[in-house]
Amino acid sequence: NAGVTQTPKFQVLKTGQSMTLQCAQDMNHNSMYWYRQDPGMGLRLIYYSASEGTTDKGEVPNGYNVSRLNKREFSLRLESAAPSQTSVYFCASSWDGSYNEQFFGPGTRLTVL
Amino acid sequence: GDSVTQMEGPVTLSEEAFLTINCTYTATGYPSLFWYVQYPGEGLQLLLKATKADDKGSNKGFEATYRKETTSFHLEKGSVQVSDSAVYFCALSDLRGGSEKLVFGKGTKLTVNP
Repeated sequence: NAGVTQTPKFQVLKTGQSMTLQCAQDMNHNSMYWYRQDPGMGLRLIYYSASEGTTDKGEVPNGYNVSRLNKREFSLRLESAAPSQTSVYFCASSWDGSYNEQFFGPGTRLTVL
Repeated sequence: GDSVTQMEGPVTLSEEAFLTINCTYTATGYPSLFWYVQYPGEGLQLLLKATKADDKGSNKGFEATYRKETTSFHLEKGSVQVSDSAVYFCALSDLRGGSEKLVFGKGTKLTVNP
C-alpha cells in the first residue's frame, strides 16, 4: 500500500516550458487535490476533484490545468511555466464527504528559471 | 472567506519543555478543525482533529480543544522531544460546493534542542 505517490520529486524548467506533474493513490479515495506550498504562505489549493470525471478550481488556479484520468490518478499541467510557479507541489486524496483526513504525497519541488 | 491564523514561528524549545502553538479561525458555519504536521522532506500528515465545539483531539501526546466561543484550536504538548521538530499547520474544513476543502494557516516551524 503505497498511499499517495508523486512524480517527479524534483524538476527544473525554463520559463515558457510545459510539464505535467503526476499523482496516483491506491486507497480507493474519491477526492483528490493539488496544493502549492510557498514560504510564509502555507498551503494553497490549486484544483480539486470531488470524484472521477469532475474538477473544480481552488484558490490559485491561474496558469494550471488538471486531469482526473481515472479514480486513481490526478495530474497537474503547467502549459507555459513562469518563475512565479516555483514552489513545492503536493497532491492529496481523501474519502468524499465530511471531515475526512486528507492523505498527502511527498511533494514535487519545481524550480522555474 | 474562511481563514486560519496561527502563531508565527520559528519556535525553539529545549527538550521536555511545554509547547503551545496558537491557532484562531474565521468561518461561516461550523467547520472541523485539524492540526497537520510536516517533518523535514516529507508531505503533511494528520496529527489530530476535532469535528465539533468542545471536542478535544489528541495524538502522540499533543492535544487541542475546539473552542467555539473564542474561535480557537491551540495545539499543546506537555513535554516535547527532539523528534517533534517539524512544521505544524492548523487547518479548517470548508464544505461549500459539496466537497471538503482544507484552508491552512501559514505553518509554525518548531525546533526542539536536546
